Amino acid sequence: TQLLEQSPQFLSIQEGENLTVYCNSSSVFSSLQWYRQEPGEGPVLLVTVVTGGEVKKLKRLTFQFGDARKDSSLHITAAQPGDTGLYLCAGAISGGSNYKLTFGKGTLLTVNP
Amino acid sequence: EAGVAQSPRYKIIEKRQSVAFWCNPISGHATLYWYQQILGQGPKLLIQFQNNGVVDDSQLPKDRFSAERLKGVDSTLKIQPAKLEDSAVYLCASSRRLGGGNEQYFGPGTRLTVT
Repeated sequence: TQLLEQSPQFLSIQEGENLTVYCNSSSVFSSLQWYRQEPGEGPVLLVTVVTGGEVKKLKRLTFQFGDARKDSSLHITAAQPGDTGLYLCAGAISGGSNYKLTFGKGTLLTVNP
Repeated sequence: EAGVAQSPRYKIIEKRQSVAFWCNPISGHATLYWYQQILGQGPKLLIQFQNNGVVDDSQLPKDRFSAERLKGVDSTLKIQPAKLEDSAVYLCASSRRLGGGNEQYFGPGTRLTVT
């Protein structure tokens, strides 16, 4: 079983602050995805990283995939209340006809105005 | 394009009762997934279908859970009989095809409470 550890589990910050959340595993993944989930809704895909060392930016969000494709980080610059939500990372294992996502437990972010 | 539809949104049942959840994926999506998300945890894959065939059901508790996608479109997940530990949000997702590069779109989920 591939396990993904996310940290911190909870994060409460003020509007305008920067933050980084981490996703770590002892397993190698073919790709890694980050999702955001709001209360009462399903997760929504933010980004997929595929190549070791890859960095992707989505407005104020920066995603990095570790060189060994075992870990990833999400950095938010100048957080806003609209960034509040549960951030989930998910590692993909693919082989043959099978493709499966394993999710971490998530980081619950609260951005206070 | 309409998203993934799920019903009901909420369900409260007593332990040992039965319950069924329904999912209608995005039109044209061949792959359908059912996930279980217990409070404070990430979603856990229960079963995935490619059209009307099961691709992976290794984490489905088959003694009490069953799922079908008879015509390769909508799907039903059933629990019989329910246990207290089945209290969770059941998420349905769909993607165009199975495999990397195919984004999974999630529905809003069904929140099940077993008392």
